[in-house]
Amino acid sequence: SQTIHQWPATLVQPVGSPLSLECTVEGTSNPNLYWYRQAAGRGLQLLFYSVGIGQISSEVPQNLSASRPQDRQFILSSKKLLLSDSGFYLCAWRDTGELFFGEGSRLTVL
Amino acid sequence: EDKVVQSPLSLVVHEGDTVTLNCSYEVTNFRSLLWYKQEKKAPTFLFMLTSSGIEKKSGRLSSILDKKELFSILNITATQTGDSAVYLCAVEPSSGNNDMRFGAGTRLTVKP
Repeated sequence: SQTIHQWPATLVQPVGSPLSLECTVEGTSNPNLYWYRQAAGRGLQLLFYSVGIGQISSEVPQNLSASRPQDRQFILSSKKLLLSDSGFYLCAWRDTGELFFGEGSRLTVL
Repeated sequence: EDKVVQSPLSLVVHEGDTVTLNCSYEVTNFRSLLWYKQEKKAPTFLFMLTSSGIEKKSGRLSSILDKKELFSILNITATQTGDSAVYLCAVEPSSGNNDMRFGAGTRLTVKP
């Protein structure tokens, strides 16, 4: 069966520091991968999606970047965090049906 | 621009009540509409709807889609405290971009 792992679960970082959130999927090959952000009391905002290795599409201009160095690995990064980057980040994968989500990473930028 | 609007934003009921959650959408070339339940962390999948008028049912939960009026409802009968969660609606366009647009969610609180 397929599983998705996302880490770290919680992160507190100072403004201006770098960020790296990692997501890996097991039990499937060539999945579509997604990064969403959920601000408090709001829905999920799509940040990036990838349909294959090295293929990244960005939905909104921002301080973040994404990379897919391997088929089942998706990384969300920032060189310098802003206060507005705080939020709950969710990685997800899908084949042809519904999205399957990781447990999320709660980022607080101070 | 694609848009998904859920209502109400929050709802408080008592155990045993029946609730109806709404999701309306505007999307170019609709493909599917999905409902998710988010309790603490990861949203979990409830239903995927692609055809109008066909009810999907799972226990006390059911959902239906109206592609003419561009909305879906999620019904929960005989609510329990374990139904307390944020319910998210997402719409997938057939644009070939493989993305889903989510609404802001409805926060349901079921009191004993």
